[in-house]
Amino acid sequence: DGGITQSPKYLFRKEGQNVTLSCEQNLNHDAMYWYRQDPGQGLRLIYYSQIVNDFQKGDIAEGYSVSREKKESFPLTVTSAQKNPTAFYLCASSIGSGSGELFFGEGSRLTVL
Amino acid sequence: SQQGEEDPQALSIQEGENATMNCSYKTSINNLQWYRQNSGRGLVHLILIRSNEREKHSGRLRVTLDTSKKSSSLLITASRAADTASYFCATAGTASKLTFGTGTRLQVTL
Repeated sequence: DGGITQSPKYLFRKEGQNVTLSCEQNLNHDAMYWYRQDPGQGLRLIYYSQIVNDFQKGDIAEGYSVSREKKESFPLTVTSAQKNPTAFYLCASSIGSGSGELFFGEGSRLTVL
Repeated sequence: SQQGEEDPQALSIQEGENATMNCSYKTSINNLQWYRQNSGRGLVHLILIRSNEREKHSGRLRVTLDTSKKSSSLLITASRAADTASYFCATAGTASKLTFGTGTRLQVTL
């Protein structure tokens, strides 16, 4: 089945550690996105990529990094510079630019111990 | 920054009743979309309405858009327990990204 796969579903990290969240899609979509969701809140855009080897900062990029070496993959690294990393992270993709329908993965919940 | 604000923040109704939630936004848009999120899951796209459209239907969903008031509403008719979820509006402006609101938590009881 076509879709977006995020892993791991749950992740625990000690302070000062970098962690990488995986996002893979087999929808042949050009654009991919990372959002952060805090409890009871909406989604805030971290990074997005409209094409391979190119990406742009979203509204809350500080403390995060991404890469887009393959069309199918858009991993997110939460670095030790992110002051409050505990959150639910959602990856999404779309056929073209970000004005169309987004397809979401099931999310990764990161907890900093 | 949050573009949209949903109202109410939480809504509790009985099965069979209609549920209405509203979204207000601040800047000009190309389209507005509604998404649904079950607890702890990803978001699922429900419906997209373009800036030149005023109303759109999809099954039990009815969406209206008033660009002069910068607002939209989502009506779910004949609600079911399975409709229990959070509902988000998202706006698409000139930039190539969607901006999400804060969501409405809908609880449908038997």
